[in-house]
Amino acid sequence: GAVVSQHPSWVICKSGTSVKIECRSLDFQATTMFWYRQFPKQSLMLMATSNEGSKATYEQGVEKDKFLINHASLTLSTLTVTSAHPEDSSFYICSATGQATTYEQYFGPGTRLTVT
Amino acid sequence: QQPVQSPQAVILREGEDAVINCSSSKALYSVHWYRQKHGEAPVFLMILLKGGEQKGHEKISASFNEKKQQSSLYLTASQLSYSGTYFCGTEDNNNDMRFGAGTRLTVKP
Repeated sequence: GAVVSQHPSWVICKSGTSVKIECRSLDFQATTMFWYRQFPKQSLMLMATSNEGSKATYEQGVEKDKFLINHASLTLSTLTVTSAHPEDSSFYICSATGQATTYEQYFGPGTRLTVT
Repeated sequence: QQPVQSPQAVILREGEDAVINCSSSKALYSVHWYRQKHGEAPVFLMILLKGGEQKGHEKISASFNEKKQQSSLYLTASQLSYSGTYFCGTEDNNNDMRFGAGTRLTVKP
């Protein structure tokens, strides 16, 4: 099956710093990647959708200047949390879909961000 | 708009059956089902496209009634490994994807 990786698995950073999370499709070309945020015991919340080579489309209420998304190639998308605050602490998950995966979304393992 | 899942939680004994429902207020193109173990990313189970199809995977199957904008996930003869939170994801005709709040399933020996 299609494999999506995320790096890092977990990260602890101080308030005010920026953190970059990478999402890679390992064995297929991801034409579209999605970034989600998940709070404990809650549903996945879609933050943004990114298509390779174009600007990400952000969901209402998600600050695009705070959560910078770049989808530079068909196998890599990055999410940068800028000027992180403790309330940004969360589980961030990416998923990817591509021509080879038809309609399925394949999720990365997630990144646990803790901002102190 | 987020689809509504029911029940919120269910506890089963090994070998028992369960049904998880997902309903939407919007016309749907597809329904996705995922299972998430604690602390892990969701794992794709299956997708159902409009056309009223049913699908099965071992003892887990699902149906999609596009007229009623509903989908149900059926778990038969449950196993301990079925424990987790099940999410439905609904995709409308604009390819807009939303997830339900999840159903926490616990299977006990």
